[in-house]
Amino acid sequence: QSALTQPRSVSGSPGQSVTISCTGTSSDVGGHNYVSWYQQHPGKAPKLMIYDVINRPSGVPDRFSGSKSGSTASLTISGLQAEDEADYYCCSYAGARYVFGTGTEVTVL
Amino acid sequence: EVRLLQSGGGLVQPGGSLTLSCAASGFIFNNYAMTWVRQAPGKGLEWVSTINGPASDTFYADSVRGRFTISRDNSKNIVYLQMNSRSAGDTAVYYCVKGMSAGSWLAGDVWGQGTTVTVS
Repeated sequence: QSALTQPRSVSGSPGQSVTISCTGTSSDVGGHNYVSWYQQHPGKAPKLMIYDVINRPSGVPDRFSGSKSGSTASLTISGLQAEDEADYYCCSYAGARYVFGTGTEVTVL
Repeated sequence: EVRLLQSGGGLVQPGGSLTLSCAASGFIFNNYAMTWVRQAPGKGLEWVSTINGPASDTFYADSVRGRFTISRDNSKNIVYLQMNSRSAGDTAVYYCVKGMSAGSWLAGDVWGQGTTVTVS
């Protein structure tokens, strides 16, 4: 059960856009439209940001958007803000199990 | 308000048994699958186990299958994770997470506060 592959870190200046990729296989990301994204600040529990590839829970700013192409899902943060600095994890359904990504640290310069 | 309040955990010796609990409130508990996710110190998130709303189906990561047991009491709105044969690799913060449907977890929209298990 290998973790989904994410870049270790991405960074951007306030107001810029950053995109985090999440690469899996046809058994997980490529085979199901159940990819979710989580934001985690240090010492805190994760927070759901995107579910079912593209959907935002209520209360999540529309600066956060999700997409998928083949076996790679992506999270884009537009108009980067200081409070967006955190770790981000993707997660995919993989048929009777779930697999998380390796995690990406987002730094706001 | 939807809440998940976790209890259990602490410093434990290798081997033996430990049970984590997660008490839910603010939603119709048996309408949602529940999952345990863990995070080892300085590491990423790892899916551990899921139980569907009716408690008829359970799923486990290979790393814990045969050692951990997930269960739920829908009359008390509590989900449990019984951890047997613990090893140092089980040292982590464990999160209880509410799913988005009864049949499948799909995503976790509400997370517990986390409880630390240290095996040493």
